[in-house]
Amino acid sequence: DQQVKQNSPSLSVQEGRISILNCDYTNSMFDYFLWYKKYPAEGPTFLISISSIKDKNEDGRFTVFLNKSAKHLSLHIVPSQPGDSAVYFCAARGGGNKLTFGTGTQLKVEL
Amino acid sequence: GAVVSQHPSWVICKSGTSVKIECRSLDFQATTMFWYRQFPKQSLMLMATSNEGSKATYEQGVEKDKFLINHASLTLSTLTVTSAHPEDSSFYICSASPGLAIGEQFFGPGTRLTVL
Repeated sequence: DQQVKQNSPSLSVQEGRISILNCDYTNSMFDYFLWYKKYPAEGPTFLISISSIKDKNEDGRFTVFLNKSAKHLSLHIVPSQPGDSAVYFCAARGGGNKLTFGTGTQLKVEL
Repeated sequence: GAVVSQHPSWVICKSGTSVKIECRSLDFQATTMFWYRQFPKQSLMLMATSNEGSKATYEQGVEKDKFLINHASLTLSTLTVTSAHPEDSSFYICSASPGLAIGEQFFGPGTRLTVL
């Protein structure tokens, strides 16, 4: 049972445009949502998070939106840069600081 | 800061042998360490959670006798894959957390295990 889903396995965006990565979840007990960036053969690195009591969090080029009623969150990257090309995982925090990860979206930012 | 290392970065072993993977937090003390595995094009799946000095808590479906986890100090956790078989071939990633603050789960670079 996949509690966190990223339905788009890949996304291609032109440099300078906005990248929007989506994530859906099913467990209403999750209290925090996080986005991680991962390069091949490396561990994920933390990007940005949002509490379940908020609907938006912004950090530089990265903004995360949470729609709790729809159990949906999204990561916006603007403007997108070639260095943003990576796999992006959304994750949800449950009890004991445990994270449940989505399946990831491969973002490719083209020149 | 907040660097987590894993050793080895890749390992190839024969079926039936055991393999030990180390996870170290280099510049902080990790009260909790997590072990994940990732199959190609799939998500990171949490295998177990370990707290220093206590037994690991395994996720449902993970064999604790096959995947032995030891968290002997605040900077070191080890995962031993016992009697490895080809289906255990995967990418194993650890993470370390100094506390419960959100985002404070720092990941190692992972270990690629191939069992022949």
